[in-house]
Amino acid sequence: GEDVEQSLFLSVREGDSSVINCTYTDSSSTYLYWYKQEPGAGLQLLTYIFSNMDMKQDQRLTVLLNKKDKHLSLRIADTQTGDSAIYFCAETTGRRALTFGSGTRLQVQP
Amino acid sequence: DAGVIQSPRHEVTEMGQEVTLRCKPISGHNSLFWYRQTMMRGLELLIYFNNNVPIDDSGMPEDRFSAKMPNASFSTLKIQPSEPRDSAVYFCASSLTSGEKLFFGSGTQLSVL
Repeated sequence: GEDVEQSLFLSVREGDSSVINCTYTDSSSTYLYWYKQEPGAGLQLLTYIFSNMDMKQDQRLTVLLNKKDKHLSLRIADTQTGDSAIYFCAETTGRRALTFGSGTRLQVQP
Repeated sequence: DAGVIQSPRHEVTEMGQEVTLRCKPISGHNSLFWYRQTMMRGLELLIYFNNNVPIDDSGMPEDRFSAKMPNASFSTLKIQPSEPRDSAVYFCASSLTSGEKLFFGSGTQLSVL
């Protein structure tokens, strides 16, 4: 079955770049997503990428996709304390529900 | 649009009681999902509906859990009888179709004492 793996925790200093990594197993994955969850809130869609793309940039966010290695990453430039949250990677083929990773807790230190 | 609306926001109940969680998806969305989030198991998909029809309920823990979607704008998740191990945050989410990006509600924090 499909599986999505993420590291559990990342700590960075304010102003540095953060890179959150994700690996998945389904080579048929077509859509890959990053969600952000702040304390006491639901998951909020941050950005997404189609499998026919290698990179997508959206302001401070850069998503990189390596289809060969089934590896997805989210880079946050100039990380701020407001970026502290749990970040979830998710994927789907488009014909089934999204499969989520376990989430990476990002801690930004002032 | 107000987004996905869940109620109640918090629920505290005693073991053995019936609990009903409610969800109103985004208007026009055809797929609705129920997730459970705990520290131990992370985010688990319980069940999802396409066009009000349950498609995959393999994530429903046991017969104590049931979900319905009587129409396109309303769904319930019921636990009867509730147990302390059911304590978690329950999220409802909707999307245009089952393989598209999800929009989540704010969740229901359930505590079963």
